[in-house]
Amino acid sequence: GAGVSQTPSNKVTEKGKYVELRCDPISGHTALYWYRQSLGQGPEFLIYFQGTGAADDSGLPNDRFFAVRPEGSVSTLKIQRTERGDSAVYLCASRIEGAATTGELFFGEGSRLTVL
Amino acid sequence: QQQVKQSPQSLIVQKGGISIINCAYENTAFDYFPWYQQFPGKGPALLIAIRPDVSEKKEGRFTISFNKSAKQFSLHIMDSQPGDSATYFCAASKGTYKYIFGTGTRLKVLA
Repeated sequence: GAGVSQTPSNKVTEKGKYVELRCDPISGHTALYWYRQSLGQGPEFLIYFQGTGAADDSGLPNDRFFAVRPEGSVSTLKIQRTERGDSAVYLCASRIEGAATTGELFFGEGSRLTVL
Repeated sequence: QQQVKQSPQSLIVQKGGISIINCAYENTAFDYFPWYQQFPGKGPALLIAIRPDVSEKKEGRFTISFNKSAKQFSLHIMDSQPGDSATYFCAASKGTYKYIFGTGTRLKVLA
């Protein structure tokens, strides 16, 4: 497809378990962002990748959260020892960089994480 | 200084009416101000955006008004339609487009 793809769309896990959320950005988009959206709130920034490297990870709440993008395309958000407070929708967005950029972030539909 | 404050939290408008949502920011380094529309179960999608070198931008029924001195910007939806019923988020960013989002406005347009 042409849009940002996120899997799984829904994930239910138990407290203390490990979770991986995947994001497949729009082809050719070198900038990739992860956001977290709690119920009734605006998306909160987690991390931004420029190519393969994390250019800004200032939004990651603690060291249980980690994200990778080894080949500069697909990214995985990893959450260790999940807690009930981690329950949220995790949104991925991508953006074209360079002269062609308009500043628009293209969002996926999100992965809804529920920690029991 | 990184916050973007959005109001109202919710809004009910009659079909054909004008919907107005307001946002305020503190960081004068912000240089890109988009509005996103989100339907239930979907990701946010860009509606319209403005940069601080202009005071107004119009695209169809949607207009952004920008007041740089007051550090405020607003979204106006003219001739509101039931299909406009959604949650709207303002945002602000600088440089790397790391958006800081407002808390959202839930708009309902009555038929």
